[in-house]
Amino acid sequence: SQTIHQWPATLVQPVGSPLSLECTVEGTSNPNLYWYRQAAGRGLQLLFYSVGIGQISSEVPQNLSASRPQDRQFILSSKKLLLSDSGFYLCAWSPSILAGGDEQYFGPGTRLTVT
Amino acid sequence: DAKTTQPNSMESNEEEPVHLPCNHSTISGTDYIHWYRQLPSQGPEYVIHGLTSNVNNRMASLAIAEDRKSSTLILHRATLRDAAVYYCILRSSPTDYGGATNKLIFGTGTLLAVQP
Repeated sequence: SQTIHQWPATLVQPVGSPLSLECTVEGTSNPNLYWYRQAAGRGLQLLFYSVGIGQISSEVPQNLSASRPQDRQFILSSKKLLLSDSGFYLCAWSPSILAGGDEQYFGPGTRLTVT
Repeated sequence: DAKTTQPNSMESNEEEPVHLPCNHSTISGTDYIHWYRQLPSQGPEYVIHGLTSNVNNRMASLAIAEDRKSSTLILHRATLRDAAVYYCILRSSPTDYGGATNKLIFGTGTLLAVQP
């Protein structure tokens, strides 16, 4: 069966510090991968998605970047965190449409607080 | 992306059916209707999806209006564990995104409270 891992679970970082959040998927190959952010009391905002290694699409301009160095690894980064980067970060995967995929499966999330 | 409209919140009693409405008057012919739910402090969880016909699975039923401009998620017997935010989302045709992704755009959803 497929599983999705995210770490760390919680993180407290000062303004201006760098960020690296990692997401890995097991039990599938060539998944679509997604990063979402949920600010306190708000809905989910899609940040990035990837349909393959090295292929990243950004949904909104922001202080963050994403990379996919391996098929089942998705990394969210920032060089200098802002207070507005605080939130609940969720990674998700889905089979590609070409593989008949419909559902997205979400990881446990990382709660980031920027102080 | 076509938009959906849901009530901000709803309340239900335990073991009673719950009907969660969603309006999507600008839906296109190739848009799928997806429902996800998010329990507190967790990531969203897939519930059900459909295109034109009503759908049933172990979690819920999805009733889609004949003109497809609205749909209703039905929980047949609400439990306390069903208390969550329920999102109704339209998934555009994959060809809109290069044919390879099923990108979802989440709205604010409906917060369902279940009373014992």
